[in-house]
Amino acid sequence: GQQLNQSPQSMFIQEGEDVSMNCTSSSIFNTWLWYKQDPGEGPVLLIALYKAGELTSNGRLTAQFGITRKDSFLNISASIPSDVGIYFCAGTGGGGSNYKLTFGKGTLLTVNP
Amino acid sequence: DGGITQSPKYLFRKEGQNVTLSCEQNLNHDAMYWYRQDPGQGLRLIYYSQIVNDFQKGDIAEGYSVSREKKESFPLTVTSAQKNPTAFYLCASSAGHSNQPQHFGDGTRLSIL
Repeated sequence: GQQLNQSPQSMFIQEGEDVSMNCTSSSIFNTWLWYKQDPGEGPVLLIALYKAGELTSNGRLTAQFGITRKDSFLNISASIPSDVGIYFCAGTGGGGSNYKLTFGKGTLLTVNP
Repeated sequence: DGGITQSPKYLFRKEGQNVTLSCEQNLNHDAMYWYRQDPGQGLRLIYYSQIVNDFQKGDIAEGYSVSREKKESFPLTVTSAQKNPTAFYLCASSAGHSNQPQHFGDGTRLSIL
């Protein structure tokens, strides 16, 4: 089946620093999604990417859909304490059901004030 | 407000008991999904439904059952056949068109007594 490798597994940064995380896939996807999950809550959609090469921003967040359609990255600029949480990448539409998402295992972000 | 409501927030199961987790959405979405989340793991798909009265097994369907009698509702039953049911369960929905993002509820945490 499809697999997503998300890295890094965890990050400890100081407030104000920039953050970068990425996902790579063993197969192509038609859509890449980035979610953030706070403890005890459901994931919240941050950015959706639909086209290879697409670069999309949402406030301090920027994500890109890789040209090969097998990877994506998420950058967070000028981190703040409320950025703490688990960030997940997810892909869909690549050869299996268009309804099924494949998730990475998440990047745990800790921001020291 | 439109959204996805999961209940209860916390649930305890005795050995040999079936329990049912509720998921209701008022987003008029056609597709609904159930995921299981374990510590350090990504989300794993249990069942999904693209339309009323139809559903398909996901990657880890054994020990679980679902029904989709109404568009708004997609309850998940954790049966006694599921030997390791302790986990965080997340329900999601999407517009049902190819590559539309999934939106999540706030989850139900199931524990064994």
